[in-house]
Amino acid sequence: GAVVSQHPSWVICKSGTSVKIECRSLDFQATTMFWYRQFPKQSLMLMATSNEGSKATYEQGVEKDKFLINHASLTLSTLTVTSAHPEDSSFYICSARNPLAGDNNEQFFGPGTRLTVL
Amino acid sequence: GQNIDQPTEMTATEGAIVQINCTYQTSGFNGLFWYQQHAGEAPTFLSYNVLDGLEEKGRFSSFLSRSKGYSYLLLKELQMKDSASYLCAVMDSNYQLIWGAGTKLIIKP
Repeated sequence: GAVVSQHPSWVICKSGTSVKIECRSLDFQATTMFWYRQFPKQSLMLMATSNEGSKATYEQGVEKDKFLINHASLTLSTLTVTSAHPEDSSFYICSARNPLAGDNNEQFFGPGTRLTVL
Repeated sequence: GQNIDQPTEMTATEGAIVQINCTYQTSGFNGLFWYQQHAGEAPTFLSYNVLDGLEEKGRFSSFLSRSKGYSYLLLKELQMKDSASYLCAVMDSNYQLIWGAGTKLIIKP
């Protein structure tokens, strides 16, 4: 299969602190990973596309200096929420595409990280 | 602009059949996905359609008409565990997924 893990599953932090979320592809190499955010009762919102060895591509309206993405290896991408505020509280989900998975372009999702900023 | 439309909420009875529709307007098309998402969890893959027609996978089937910009997800023999949100997503010409807002499906006994 194609398994993607995320760590931590949930995190509670104080306003102004930074939080790092890890996304790993466990049994395949992912040249591209995606970071999503989902607020309650809303759909997934793509934040950025993370490319191994190069800078991430951010969607319009997403602050790249606030949401730092590092895709240092073919199996790991990290999202750091800097100086987190209560409005950053959300469900953060990563996904990865397995280039060897055939023609269906499926994205494999991690289990998500629930961030609560107090 | 790019747009995915699907009903906000649907209700069905256990054991019955339900069809969830999705219409889309995107810049390019590289396939349409259906995902299931239970509350508080990440989406799980259900189906992928890139050619017109019906794809059947157990109790779930997905249909696509590219000329109409239309798809549906058909769920048969509904079970209580099928209560979830169902997300329609289209991969555009840049191979990015454009997501619908999701359809919350409520199953009643």
